[in-house]
Amino acid sequence: NAGVMQNPRHLVRRRGQEARLRCSPMKGHSHVYWYRQLPEEGLKFMVYLQKENIIDESGMPKERFSAEFPKEGPSILRIQQVVRGDSAAYFCASSPQVGGDQPQHFGDGTRLSIL
Amino acid sequence: DAKTTQPNSMESNEEEPVHLPCNHSTISGTDYIHWYRQLPSQGPEYVIHGLTSNVNNRMASLAIAEDRKSSTLILHRATLRDAAVYYCILRPNTNAGKSTFGDGTTLTVKP
Repeated sequence: NAGVMQNPRHLVRRRGQEARLRCSPMKGHSHVYWYRQLPEEGLKFMVYLQKENIIDESGMPKERFSAEFPKEGPSILRIQQVVRGDSAAYFCASSPQVGGDQPQHFGDGTRLSIL
Repeated sequence: DAKTTQPNSMESNEEEPVHLPCNHSTISGTDYIHWYRQLPSQGPEYVIHGLTSNVNNRMASLAIAEDRKSSTLILHRATLRDAAVYYCILRPNTNAGKSTFGDGTTLTVKP
């Protein structure tokens, strides 16, 4: 039973380029969450999606960042015109249902480095 | 969002029990208490969760104070593989998409 798969594991971009991060949730999970982690810090919530819908994007920067979770295929976190401050580890988690009693299952993240 | 407070770091000897505390004095009645741990270069791993009663699973035990303003994660026999950053977070039953992670407790296990 495969866990949450994220790719790529490492991504290097130059300032001004676009970064596209992919997340395939666990089988049967229709709820996806994205988090960002800066070095030596905890995870910061970015966005929560259900299939084809953004439910909560209160942690997402207003500009340059977008997320989607299409009916078919992985969830995508897109960062346009990247800047040095976007360098971080980005984690995706999934759960089968929504609710406070639902554990989130995390992938091993994408480490984004901006040159 | 309700916040949690944890010590920055703790040490334990191998094969001894470890009690990791967490304060959450502003917890609301519908918040679940979750614990995750994170090893270097990996994503967080779910450990255990509870609402009011103490909980046990194969990884750990969770002791929840009667007033729910604090909880303790108990590792019964620490191993070197338990060395990680442990996060205590609150997940509301409403708007449960959003989980707020603090800085966690870095557990060091000495052989």
